[in-house]
Amino acid sequence: DTEVTQTPKHLVMGMTNKKSLKCEQHMGHRAMYWYKQKAKKPPELMFVYSYEKLSINESVPSRFSPECPNSSLLNLHLHALQPEDSALYLCASRMTGMDEQYFGPGTRLTVT
Amino acid sequence: GENVEQHPSTLSVQEGDSAVIKCTYSDSASNYFPWYKQELGKGPQLIIDIRSNVGEKKDQRIAVTLNKTAKHFSLHITETQPEDSAVYFCAAYGGTASKLTFGTGTRLQVTL
Repeated sequence: DTEVTQTPKHLVMGMTNKKSLKCEQHMGHRAMYWYKQKAKKPPELMFVYSYEKLSINESVPSRFSPECPNSSLLNLHLHALQPEDSALYLCASRMTGMDEQYFGPGTRLTVT
Repeated sequence: GENVEQHPSTLSVQEGDSAVIKCTYSDSASNYFPWYKQELGKGPQLIIDIRSNVGEKKDQRIAVTLNKTAKHFSLHITETQPEDSAVYFCAAYGGTASKLTFGTGTRLQVTL
């Protein structure tokens, strides 16, 4: 089983709203990732968690706040977003010591 | 850091023909090269990968080749079918970055 799940599938939010994206995997993977993908572009790395600790932050604006409550869950808290933040947000996970990285289906975010 | 170039950006083939997508990478320390297929509205799906100690790998109708000297790797799809239509991304991992670096993507269309 190589399933990464993400909720919600779609999200529309205003610039003053606070919302959260959720990612879950039950494969025992200890590395989890957030990516942002704009139309017709490759995924762009935002954050990496390794053993529930933030290991990489690709200079992402503070209006995006990641959280890893346990080894199976990854959240992305959103606050005061801009219209240009509208994109597909992808979660991925990887078993440490292995190379294969598996992506979830993504959350399509629209900021109005 | 790592830089991955991917060609062509679009590829149209007739059903039953072969399709080839090519990528080059810049960091000679990269050692893992996955290929992802992304259908409309979905997350990237890992379809095949190759490690730097292997020159070729095959899985049914898809194969990947790696030329470490030239820093070049390719995806080959034989007997293409309409369900192969999607965007394909190559990626490189390892070396100094310790993260996946994606190519710019190839939109493959298989026509009847």
